[in-house]
Amino acid sequence: EAGVTQSPTHLIKTRGQQATLRCSPISGHTSVYWYQQALGLGLQFLLWYDEGEERNRGNFPPRFSGRQFPNYSSELNVNALELEDSALYLCASSLAPGPGQYFGPGTRLTVT
Amino acid sequence: GIQVEQSPPDLILQEGANSTLRCNFSDSVNNLQWFHQNPWGQLINLFYIPSGTKQNGRLSATTVATERYSLLYISSSQTTDSGVYFCAVGAQGGSEKLVFGKGMKLTVNP
Repeated sequence: EAGVTQSPTHLIKTRGQQATLRCSPISGHTSVYWYQQALGLGLQFLLWYDEGEERNRGNFPPRFSGRQFPNYSSELNVNALELEDSALYLCASSLAPGPGQYFGPGTRLTVT
Repeated sequence: GIQVEQSPPDLILQEGANSTLRCNFSDSVNNLQWFHQNPWGQLINLFYIPSGTKQNGRLSATTVATERYSLLYISSSQTTDSGVYFCAVGAQGGSEKLVFGKGMKLTVNP
């Protein structure tokens, strides 16, 4: 069974640009989560999507947004990139909301 | 919000030694997971263990929910066990949002 996949692996953007990160959950999983791992800040919850709807978001500004598609894949958009957005962005999925989240390999975003 | 503390922050072992990692949390949880982050950043699931005891090969974990802590045991450590171990919890009524500890860096020397 394929795990959670994310693309691209690496992404380099300039301050002020927009970044789009993509995630495909494990087959059968309907909940998708996004987390940010920035240097010195640890792993922080960003967004949770379930059945196509945003269900919860962490303490991040509105320029972090996303969506979930009918096939349960998801994308994370970061607008007006700032240097401190440089981080590893991890996507996870679960069969039911909450327990047993499985993580993808991550997208490393570098903002210059 | 719920707080998660992991100890020790760093640990250096010789191959073959045993170790215990501790995770304390500040409130009731109905989701607790242990992860190993590999050198490329991916979080590898070790255990989903909101309560009770589980074992998987050389690894085992115990969560005492009433006392708000969890332990991860690594026996007969190998160099491939090196990396960062994270405990993450989901609070009751919000278990879909995992709150992570700061992690514990384990180095196993040959």
